[in-house]
Amino acid sequence: ETGVTQSPTHLIKTRGQQVTLRCSSQSGHNTVSWYQQALGQGPQFIFQYYREEENGRGNFPPRFSGLQFPNYSSELNVNALELDDSALYLCASSLVGVGNEQFFGPGTRLTVL
Amino acid sequence: KQEVTQIPAALSVPEGENLVLNCSFTDSAIYNLQWFRQDPGKGLTSLLLIQSSQREQTSGRLNASLDKSSGRSTLYIAASQPGDSATYLCAVGPNTGGFKTIFGAGTRLFVKA
Repeated sequence: ETGVTQSPTHLIKTRGQQVTLRCSSQSGHNTVSWYQQALGQGPQFIFQYYREEENGRGNFPPRFSGLQFPNYSSELNVNALELDDSALYLCASSLVGVGNEQFFGPGTRLTVL
Repeated sequence: KQEVTQIPAALSVPEGENLVLNCSFTDSAIYNLQWFRQDPGKGLTSLLLIQSSQREQTSGRLNASLDKSSGRSTLYIAASQPGDSATYLCAVGPNTGGFKTIFGAGTRLFVKA
């Protein structure tokens, strides 16, 4: 059974640029959630994708967008990067209807200069 | 609006001690509650998942309890070891409105050898 993977591991961007982060779900899972974790804080829910559609969104502006593909992998896109977007971005996969236990990937560390 | 609080924010104990981490939430309409472990700069590792209909779950030296009516969960760690040093996070899954999981800020645990 393959766990959740994320790429890249680290990323450095400058303010105003755009970034795409990628996530591959754990085998058999059909739902992907994305979280932003600032240093010293708990993860903040960005949004969730189920059956290739957004299925819930946290308090994040529209410049945070996502996609889920037929193989249940997912992308998080952030436009017009701001300094405050610097954080660890975490992806979690789960299987709807089976307890919704979430399994997390290792994260992508984004630094915006 | 669901809020999750974890107390204490940090804890330092000698090896071998039994300890309790606390998690409280403001809205008892939850679907599940999940405890995670996070090592510095890493992703989250799922420890225990408690469904809303359950009272507790156990895995090895870990025991998590849930009291929905009082909005509380505890994570009990028996015979703590230096390898248990990490940040422990609790996360609440809501009963309605999609899977907007809400995390606490975590308890940072240090077990001294």
